[in-house]
Amino acid sequence: SAVISQKPSRDICQRGTSLTIQCQVDSQVTMMFWYRQQPGQSLTLIATANQGSEATYESGFVIDKFPISRPNLTFSTLTVSNMSPEDSSIYLCSVEDPQEQGSSPYGYTFGSGTRLTVV
Amino acid sequence: GESVGLHLPTLSVQEGDNSIINCAYSNSASDYFIWYKQESGKGPQFIIDIRSNMDKRQGQRVTVLLNKTVKHLSLQIAATQPGDSAVYFCAEFREYGNKLVFGAGTILRVKS
Repeated sequence: SAVISQKPSRDICQRGTSLTIQCQVDSQVTMMFWYRQQPGQSLTLIATANQGSEATYESGFVIDKFPISRPNLTFSTLTVSNMSPEDSSIYLCSVEDPQEQGSSPYGYTFGSGTRLTVV
Repeated sequence: GESVGLHLPTLSVQEGDNSIINCAYSNSASDYFIWYKQESGKGPQFIIDIRSNMDKRQGQRVTVLLNKTVKHLSLQIAATQPGDSAVYFCAEFREYGNKLVFGAGTILRVKS
């Protein structure tokens, strides 16, 4: 399966500032996803990012707050804009990629996440 | 320590016992389900999956059961080991939008 590198792994940011999170994949993938995992919660999909098109955002997430870039098939960025303490979460990148294990030819691989604390 | 799992239900088992983790899913149209394991400081890792045309699938020490009638999934871990301690999530695949939707999650603590 694909190997995903996310940067930074963690950061502490001042409220009102913005942070850009990078996701680098070691192979070309069509579909990339950004998730948020708030403290003590499950994963919630923020948006789907496909190369060559605008990201598709889930209900409750907007482009002005979470702009996404997808310049090529191996890279994406998520920016958390005008941060407040409520944005403190783990942000995870995921890709759909071929898998050998499992009953489906495609699976979903996750990066290790970016732990963001807003103070 | 990790704040993930602060509000999640916890299952505590003795090392060597079997563990059963349950999950309810919401969409009867979902046709593919995955169990993930998330260790501290890591992203979710694939454990086992099942398609909706099956009701049971076995892997190494793990078994997934699917009951479509009541929209319920379970993950059984045989001979639970300390390394199994983690947060476990089920996820359902929704073809509309081509995306995974995650369940609430369960913390598994293995006592030696």
